[in-house]
Amino acid sequence: KAGVTQTPRYLIKTRGQQVTLSCSPISGHRSVSWYQQTPGQGLQFLFEYFSETQRNKGNFPGRFSGRQFSNSRSEMNVSTLELGDSALYLCASSSTGTGIHEQYFGPGTRLTVT
Amino acid sequence: QKEVEQNSGPLSVPEGAIASLNCTYSDRGSQSFFWYRQYSGKSPELIMFIYSNGDKEDGRFTAQLNKASQYVSLLIRDSQPSDSATYLCAVRGGGNKLTFGTGTQLKVEL
Repeated sequence: KAGVTQTPRYLIKTRGQQVTLSCSPISGHRSVSWYQQTPGQGLQFLFEYFSETQRNKGNFPGRFSGRQFSNSRSEMNVSTLELGDSALYLCASSSTGTGIHEQYFGPGTRLTVT
Repeated sequence: QKEVEQNSGPLSVPEGAIASLNCTYSDRGSQSFFWYRQYSGKSPELIMFIYSNGDKEDGRFTAQLNKASQYVSLLIRDSQPSDSATYLCAVRGGGNKLTFGTGTQLKVEL
């Protein structure tokens, strides 16, 4: 079974621009979560989508948004980029229903804002 | 108080020794607990999870959970240089949200 895929793997943007990152979950997984990872803050939860609806949200400004499509693929968007948005953005998918719902991560998108 | 706390390390152990990684959490309602390994420049990889008090073994790895003490640990037996990585503890609490600790860096020395 193919794992979680994320595109693009690397991005360089300038301050003020916007960016869209994409995530395709493991086949059959309907929950997709997004995280930001920086050396100083560790893994910070952005939001979780399930069945095209945002189910959970972390403490990030409204510049960070996301959506999920009917095929469970998800995108996240960051508008008006700031230098502090430079980070590794990770997507994780999990199954739903009964069970533990362990999350599996994609390879990440490394965003550099200059 | 952070929701999930881990000692950042580095924790250095000699090859062949047992590495013990610890994690405490604040939400008493937490239901399931996960250990991830993350190599430098890579994404986290799930090692194992535990949800009942006691020990759970998987190969060289043993997860231990004590809900009364709000404590979860990971033991790595016969540590190898390839085990050198950052180990992330994650806790699923109310609302189904997964919260991560900042990770413990493990160094296995020859």
